[in-house]
Amino acid sequence: DTEVTQTPKHLVMGMTNKKSLKCEQHMGHRAMYWYKQKAKKPPELMFVYSYEKLSINESVPSRFSPECPNSSLLNLHLHALQPEDSALYLCASTGLALTGELFFGEGSRLTVL
Amino acid sequence: DAKTTQPPSMDCAEGRAANLPCNHSTISGNEYVYWYRQIHSQGPQYIIHGLKNNETNEMASLIITEDRKSSTLILPHATLRDTAVYYCIVSGATNKLIFGTGTLLAVQP
Repeated sequence: DTEVTQTPKHLVMGMTNKKSLKCEQHMGHRAMYWYKQKAKKPPELMFVYSYEKLSINESVPSRFSPECPNSSLLNLHLHALQPEDSALYLCASTGLALTGELFFGEGSRLTVL
Repeated sequence: DAKTTQPPSMDCAEGRAANLPCNHSTISGNEYVYWYRQIHSQGPQYIIHGLKNNETNEMASLIITEDRKSSTLILPHATLRDTAVYYCIVSGATNKLIFGTGTLLAVQP
């Protein structure tokens, strides 16, 4: 199994809603990532979890709250988002070897109304 | 992390080799060069990486200059399915890959 699975594929939410994006991998990888990608722009790193602990937070606003309940799962909790947060949210994972490669999911496309 | 410079777009005829350049003049000795691509509406896909030596796999070849200040990704026989944005990334640790603006490769029939 070399897949990173993200759900839902599409999500529409209002600015007062609370929702979550989910990411799952069964490759035994111990590092997992969230990236945000706006249209026609490169992916921007948001968070990195290493051995289920948050190791990198790229100064992301607190309305985005990551969670890593176990080594296979990564969540991104969303609350009080703004329309400009509409984007493709990508999850990735990798083994922790220095020369490892990132495996990306297909992304969750979020629209904030 | 060192920054990279890539042309914004390139064209290539189907069946011909596609050579995608990348400048990384501030690369440090322990930093690797990674290449990823992103086909429209999909997640990025790892292609290849290298440190000093040239590398080849089933997808592509990576040529790194001796001074390591630039590299070229070579797709030996481009197909229409290779149309994508290609990202060159320099990183010392896989726990922080920062994407630049990339090159949009358009393979023409």
